[in-house]
Amino acid sequence: GAVVSQHPSRVICKSGTSVKIECRSLDFQATTMFWYRQFPKQSLMLMATSNEGSKATYEQGVEKDKFLINHASLTLSTLTVTSAHPEDSSFYICSAREAGGNTIYFGEGSWLTVV
Amino acid sequence: AQSVTQLGSHVSVSEGALVLLRCNYSSSVPPYLFWYVQYPNQGLQLLLKYTTGATLVKGINGFEAEFKKSETSFHLTKPSAHMSDAAEYFCAVSESSNAGNMLTFGGGTRLMVKP
Repeated sequence: GAVVSQHPSRVICKSGTSVKIECRSLDFQATTMFWYRQFPKQSLMLMATSNEGSKATYEQGVEKDKFLINHASLTLSTLTVTSAHPEDSSFYICSAREAGGNTIYFGEGSWLTVV
Repeated sequence: AQSVTQLGSHVSVSEGALVLLRCNYSSSVPPYLFWYVQYPNQGLQLLLKYTTGATLVKGINGFEAEFKKSETSFHLTKPSAHMSDAAEYFCAVSESSNAGNMLTFGGGTRLMVKP
């Protein structure tokens, strides 16, 4: 079956630095990818929708200058958390939809801890 | 380790009929359980969640789900389907521990509603 891989699965960074999380579709081309974050013991929150080759669409309340999303190819989308702060510590998960298809595949998630 | 199984990748019902989407989980600790819906070209939306307390959980759009520990199930139901319910539905489990709150998703069930 289709696989979506996220890297890194866990990362610790210092406050004020930037960290990049990658989301790759391993065996299919993903025209659309979604980025979510989950706060401890809460549900997922959609951050942005990323379409290959165009700017991401951010949900209300999500700072686009802080959470940079790039979807430069049909198999890779990246989320960069800039100038990270401890409150950015969270679980980030991506999902991808195959080009021309309706099935959504989820990545394993990335756990970010900012110290 | 936790896992989620959604029986039936596709479910078709007539408008006005009962909707039943099945979800079984495995978890080594008391789980948090979620149902999400994804409409075409949109990101995930939370339908409902179970954490503790009442085992029958009511969500948005008339959906509800019942946590049955003995059956390790969290099936989603709606008494009367509407055309606008056509979407993909995902069941997810999170282990209620402080070691991390990663979500594990089921494979998804596409609900089709016939007029």
